[in-house]
Amino acid sequence: EAQVTQNPRYLITVTGKKLTVTCSQNMNHEYMSWYRQDPGLGLRQIYYSMNVEVTDKGDVPEGYKVSRKEKRNFPLILESPSPNQTSLYFCASSVTAGMNTEAFFGQGTRLTVV
Amino acid sequence: ILNVEQSPQSLHVQEGDSTNFTCSFPSSNFYALHWYRWETAKSPEALFVMTLNGDEKKKGRISATLNTKEGYSYLYIKGSQPEDSATYLCAFSSGGSYIPTFGRGTSLIVHP
Repeated sequence: EAQVTQNPRYLITVTGKKLTVTCSQNMNHEYMSWYRQDPGLGLRQIYYSMNVEVTDKGDVPEGYKVSRKEKRNFPLILESPSPNQTSLYFCASSVTAGMNTEAFFGQGTRLTVV
Repeated sequence: ILNVEQSPQSLHVQEGDSTNFTCSFPSSNFYALHWYRWETAKSPEALFVMTLNGDEKKKGRISATLNTKEGYSYLYIKGSQPEDSATYLCAFSSGGSYIPTFGRGTSLIVHP
C-alpha cells in the first residue's frame, strides 16, 4: 500500500531533550516536506527536500533540522525542544518538486514539550 | 508570506443540502491550487490539483472551479452526506516557489 509513515504518533517530552520524528515513504517520491499545524493557523512548512541530500528551509525552520540521506526517509530533528514547538506535525511527499502534483500526508505526530 | 483565505470558517448543513466554500489567493504569479480533505484524527487527503484558469475538476459529488485572474477557487459538494464532515483545506503555490501556503480551512459538519 502506498503510504507515508510517521513515528511516533504521540510524544510528550521535556524542554531541551533532543528528539527525532521519523518519516518514510514507499512511493519513490522525490519531494518530501514537514509541516506544523497550530490552532487558528494553516499548515506551515518547516523544511522541504527536493531529492537526496537536497534540503531547504520552509516558512518556519527555526529550532528544527532535517536530513535526506536516502530517498525514502526524511527525519525531523529537534535538537533542543521548547514549549513553543508543541504542535501537530505532518510529513508529506509528492512525486516531484513541482507544485502541480498531489501531496500524500503521513498520519501526524502530536508533540507536547513541557 | 502570501495570504490565502478560506471562507466560511465553519459550516453546518443538513444531510442532502448542497454547499460550497471559497479559497482566495493572490492573483499574480499563480502556479497551482490544491484542495485537501482532512477528517479528524486522520491525515489530509488530496482532492484536486488545479493549474489552469477556468479549470473544473470533479470527484463524485465534489467539484471545484478555479479563477486565477481574480484569485479564487470554489469547492462544491452536492447532496452532502454525514461522511463529508471534515475540514477542507486549500493550498496555493506561486511560480518558482516550493513552499505552498495553506489556508486555515473550512470545517464542514453535515447533520443527519
